[in-house]
Amino acid sequence: DQQVKQNSPSLSVQEGRISILNCDYTNSMFDYFLWYKKYPAEGPTFLISISSIKDKNEDGRFTVFLNKSAKHLSLHIVPSQPGDSAVYFCAASGIYSGGGADGLTFGKGTHLIIQP
Amino acid sequence: NAGVTQTPKFRVLKTGQSMTLLCAQDMNHEYMYWYRQDPGMGLRLIHYSVGEGTTAKGEVPDGYNVSRLKKQNFLLGLESAAPSQTSVYFCAVGITYEQYFGPGTRLTVT
Repeated sequence: DQQVKQNSPSLSVQEGRISILNCDYTNSMFDYFLWYKKYPAEGPTFLISISSIKDKNEDGRFTVFLNKSAKHLSLHIVPSQPGDSAVYFCAASGIYSGGGADGLTFGKGTHLIIQP
Repeated sequence: NAGVTQTPKFRVLKTGQSMTLLCAQDMNHEYMYWYRQDPGMGLRLIHYSVGEGTTAKGEVPDGYNVSRLKKQNFLLGLESAAPSQTSVYFCAVGITYEQYFGPGTRLTVT
């Protein structure tokens, strides 16, 4: 059973508007959450992360929100730019070796398309 | 992806053949990982290593073996390839909580 779920396979947003990508998880042992961006034929690139003891983390145009009681996190991109078109993966850490640099459990990804 | 390289980039194998995928890092970090990605799926952890000489199983370890004889290298082996192992394989290096990925190896087993 999937422990990290991204229920929207794709999302289309107009350039300049806000993109909101969602992620749900089921395992309470997860203690750190990350978002990765992936272009075709490349490896995933780390984007932003959040510890389970926080509810918000910001980095430039990217903000991640964590609602621990709902086991839900979201990535906000404001404003959306054409270069943001990519597949975004939500990932969670904390069920393998534990602590920092643990193995990650990934969602299936959301393909974000930014339209001009 | 700077600092993490994977060899080869592409490979086609016949069922039953063996091969080794090499991941190399120049960042001197302890943690290394192997993932596979299949169409419509997220990445799934195969094996990982928390330091030289140590390895551990991830979510989908069956059919694979790994070795970490040197800190900078993490090898993934397929002893007898099966069509179900057709996938894109990614190596990653862990730095605190973040992981940094290599460019991937596309493997097809016919």
